[in-house]
Amino acid sequence: NAGVTQTPKFQVLKTGQSMTLQCAQDMNHEYMSWYRQDPGMGLRLIHYSVGAGITDQGEVPNGYNVSRSTTEDFPLRLLSAAPSQTSVYFCASRRRQGAVGELFFGEGSRLTVL
Amino acid sequence: QQPVQSPQAVILREGEDAVINCSSSKALYSVHWYRQKHGEAPIFLMILLKGGEQKGHDKISASFNEKKQQSSLYLTASQLSYSGTYFCGTEIGWTGNQFYFGTGTSLTVIP
Repeated sequence: NAGVTQTPKFQVLKTGQSMTLQCAQDMNHEYMSWYRQDPGMGLRLIHYSVGAGITDQGEVPNGYNVSRSTTEDFPLRLLSAAPSQTSVYFCASRRRQGAVGELFFGEGSRLTVL
Repeated sequence: QQPVQSPQAVILREGEDAVINCSSSKALYSVHWYRQKHGEAPIFLMILLKGGEQKGHDKISASFNEKKQQSSLYLTASQLSYSGTYFCGTEIGWTGNQFYFGTGTSLTVIP
């Protein structure tokens, strides 16, 4: 079972470049989310989605865009990368909105912005 | 919104016990606990719901006091495999739409 798949695993960008981190899940989960993880800061919620066509902001959304056109995919876009966006990014999904269910995480994408 | 964890780090010898605390300023619907090994994704340990229930997973258990908006994770007779960073995750409200993690507690078990 694939679970939650993130690509790429590693990426180096220059300041001002744009890129998309891909996230796909094959568990038919309605809820998907993106977190960034920085040393000493834990996991901070960037954006989340409760179903296709529905997205909302988390606690650190600035500089990131998301869309949810299908149940399976939830890409995260950096329109103009900044060094402050250097981080490890995790995508996570769960069964459905309001469900008492665990979050399933992807393996993470390590992004460096020079 | 981010819950606060304590301690930030702890070092144990095999067989010793540890307690990790998680507290929130917001009313909680549930508390999750996850463990993350270095360079890996967080792995789910357990969920606790409102009602003060306590759960166990092998020699790891947890409690949830909804009135105090606090949860504690108890690790007894620690093993080397328990090393990692532990995160509590909290849901504010029943929808579960906004799920926040604490800052983490680094646990190192030495022989």
